[in-house]
Amino acid sequence: NAGVTQTPKFQVLKTGQSMTLQCAQDMNHEYMSWYRQDPGMGLRLIHYSVGAGITDQGEVPNGYNVSRSTTEDFPLRLLSAAPSQTSVYFCASSYLTSGRGTGELFFGEGSRLTVL
Amino acid sequence: SQQGEEDPQALSIQEGENATMNCSYKTSINNLQWYRQNSGRGLVHLILIRSNEREKHSGRLRVTLDTSKKSSSLLITASRAADTASYFCGAGGTSYGKLTFGQGTILTVHP
Repeated sequence: NAGVTQTPKFQVLKTGQSMTLQCAQDMNHEYMSWYRQDPGMGLRLIHYSVGAGITDQGEVPNGYNVSRSTTEDFPLRLLSAAPSQTSVYFCASSYLTSGRGTGELFFGEGSRLTVL
Repeated sequence: SQQGEEDPQALSIQEGENATMNCSYKTSINNLQWYRQNSGRGLVHLILIRSNEREKHSGRLRVTLDTSKKSSSLLITASRAADTASYFCGAGGTSYGKLTFGQGTILTVHP
């Protein structure tokens, strides 16, 4: 059981370049999300989805796009990379509870992005 | 702004001692979750406590939740060197998807 798989694990970009971070889960979870982790800032929610065709913004959505065409995949697109987007990015998935909550998150191993 | 805020930022103890970490949050929650992160790895779920629960146990972990004070605590008993990691609380809001984290507590357990 692979769980949550993120690719690539490492990436170096130049300012202005675009790229897509891939995330796939094999647990049939409705909920998927992207976080970025920066030193001293903890994890901040970028975008999330509660099902195919449904996405919403988190705390820090600017500069990022997402789509959810299938239950399994939730790619994160950087439109025009900036040095401020240098970070470690985590994808996470979960089930949705009956009480409108999010269950335990299953995290990928992270994608480390450097923007020069 | 972030929902969960952990305290202390760093904690250093000896093996065998207990470690207590605290978390505060700002708005109504559906549940509160604790996670562990080893250096360079993803977060791993430890325990989830629902808003209508006050205490929960899992092995050496004990979590309490006080919704009137909007706070939670994680107690690790009889700590081991292998417990050295960062610990995060995630506050799950009352609308789907709003699970937000604080900066975490860095726990170091000395052998």
